[in-house]
Amino acid sequence: GESVGLHLPTLSVQEGDNSIINCAYSNSASDYFIWYKQESGKGPQFIIDIRSNMDKRQGQRVTVLLNKTVKHLSLQIAATQPGDSAVYFCAENIGGAQKLVFGQGTRLTINP
Amino acid sequence: DADVTQTPRNRITKTGKRIMLECSQTKGHDRMYWYRQDPGLGLRLIYYSFDVKDINKGEISDGYSVSRQAQAKFSLSLESAIPNQTALYFCATSDLSGRRGTDTQYFGPGTRLTVL
Repeated sequence: GESVGLHLPTLSVQEGDNSIINCAYSNSASDYFIWYKQESGKGPQFIIDIRSNMDKRQGQRVTVLLNKTVKHLSLQIAATQPGDSAVYFCAENIGGAQKLVFGQGTRLTINP
Repeated sequence: DADVTQTPRNRITKTGKRIMLECSQTKGHDRMYWYRQDPGLGLRLIYYSFDVKDINKGEISDGYSVSRQAQAKFSLSLESAIPNQTALYFCATSDLSGRRGTDTQYFGPGTRLTVL
């Protein structure tokens, strides 16, 4: 069945460094992907999305890369700040199913 | 997101009790969802509704029921709570935009439920 998973459950980076969070998906029919950020005690918050007809999309300090050949999605956060510490989830929308499948999540910790 | 509210925010109950979690949204979205979050398991879909007359089971609907009272309200019930239903519960909404592949969901703050 379809699944979305993350390569690393935890990631620690120094403040100011760039971070990369990875996600693998298994369903070739997935046509839309979203990254969410979840801070402690809060619900997931939308960060950035990308359609399957794109390879890259940039936002403010964040970039999402999509490699459909190997079914891989990544979130790059530039110049990390303490406020970036959170759990990050990728989610895929499987074309036709009209619902999202979420990955397990990666906990990002920013060290001072 | 303040546009999606959940009540209660925290609840402790006993095995066998009936519990209702409520979700309201002011975003005007057609679609509403209930998810459960357990440590290490991410978000799992319980039920979802694409409009007031539409209710669909998600991947873990057993032991739960829902009611879509209005476009803005979607409640989740545990008919007879059991300890393994202890979890964080999130409501989410999305807009039936008509554009394929843009089902961005917006989440409420969550309800922490503990079943003793």
